[in-house]
Amino acid sequence: AQKVTQAQTEISVVEKEDVTLDCVYETRDTTYYLFWYKQPPSGELVFLIRRNSFDEQNEISGRYSWNFQKSTSSFNFTITASQVVDSAVYFCALSAYQKVTFGTGTKLQVIP
Amino acid sequence: NAGVTQTPKFRVLKTGQSMTLLCAQDMNHEYMYWYRQDPGMGLRLIHYSVGEGTTAKGEVPDGYNVSRLKKQNFLLGLESAAPSQTSVYFCASEPRGAYGYTFGSGTRLTVV
Repeated sequence: AQKVTQAQTEISVVEKEDVTLDCVYETRDTTYYLFWYKQPPSGELVFLIRRNSFDEQNEISGRYSWNFQKSTSSFNFTITASQVVDSAVYFCALSAYQKVTFGTGTKLQVIP
Repeated sequence: NAGVTQTPKFRVLKTGQSMTLLCAQDMNHEYMYWYRQDPGMGLRLIHYSVGEGTTAKGEVPDGYNVSRLKKQNFLLGLESAAPSQTSVYFCASEPRGAYGYTFGSGTRLTVV
């Protein structure tokens, strides 16, 4: 069985603060993929990043960065200098053996 | 623009009525999926398809049927709608190899 846990249901930060969204996963497979998706208030779901289980290199894309640690089964997402446009629900997902499991999401509110 | 198109965007059904949701993608993706999104429950997989003419059950398939007669289209049918099927439905597609989903804009379905 596989599982994705996003323990933070809702987070509020003031604009320009840094914020980290946690994602912890469980799987018995050695080959798997991890994803983050963003769902802004408009409702669409947008792919942000994909990481495979053999690549633990952290990734940075502008104000976004991702920290993948197999030792703790975590794939955390950090937004630096948050902006109001970052307000959204963020989903972490795990794909293994063609089965994809989503976490229940973290709602991020950035207050101006 | 390339992507995934869902129709309709909104629909209200009476209990017992039937309807079909259409998903069309123009990216030549092999895999297609239907998810439902309910508050506090994240995204749950209804049915999926790994190629033209093939479909398989997901996590919550009861009350739904699907067909993929053409590679670019994936239809979701509700034969006899129930209030428990009130939800937001998302279609997604991806190329073979777990590269991450491209989602449609969603269909908000209310069953009264």
